[in-house]
Amino acid sequence: RKEVEQDPGPFNVPEGATVAFNCTYSNSASQSFFWYRQDCRKEPKLLMSVYSSGNEDGRFTAQLNRASQYISLLIRDSKLSDSATYLCVVNDGGFKTIFGAGTRLFVKA
Amino acid sequence: DTAVSQTPKYLVTQMGNDKSIKCEQNLGHDTMYWYKQDSKKFLKIMFSYNNKELIINETVPNRFSPKSPDKAHLNLHINSLELGDSAVYFCASSQVFGGETQYFGPGTRLLVL
Repeated sequence: RKEVEQDPGPFNVPEGATVAFNCTYSNSASQSFFWYRQDCRKEPKLLMSVYSSGNEDGRFTAQLNRASQYISLLIRDSKLSDSATYLCVVNDGGFKTIFGAGTRLFVKA
Repeated sequence: DTAVSQTPKYLVTQMGNDKSIKCEQNLGHDTMYWYKQDSKKFLKIMFSYNNKELIINETVPNRFSPKSPDKAHLNLHINSLELGDSAVYFCASSQVFGGETQYFGPGTRLLVL
């Protein structure tokens, strides 16, 4: 089992749609969780941290389920500019930060 | 102001050559990293340095040697380049070690012919 697993997609959605991504992690001792965004031929950038209580930033909502060891990202009212690869990132509670392979999103007009 | 910068941006070279990639961060961070992103877009940690000391060295061939002359710089030297080394190499930094937001450089696209 991979340490961090994501559905690679691609997800093709129309503008205005709501889309959700899930990510599972294998190490129950993991302590920190993030979603990063990577545009084509660019570097990854932090989208948001994920907290146990769940957190929201505008149209983006992140949830953490420690019991089931998964993280989710919900994007509401998708924009064309949301088209990117979304990377699930987990810190293993020690020294290592592990990136998932990413989920590709295409938002169409 | 560029927070994390890398040079060169593109590197095309022949098999067997030796090359270096430089990274600098002006964020005052203590920790720097090297990642490799292969053709399948999988981003994998190679090295982590904290206060100029090597903390993590993943299963990377010893042809890859990182060097940190000071906290703001982490360079990557690659000996005897192989075709499989072709990838995008990202440098990143974080304020402290483990669990913190990482800031990435723009990447160095290495193509080995």
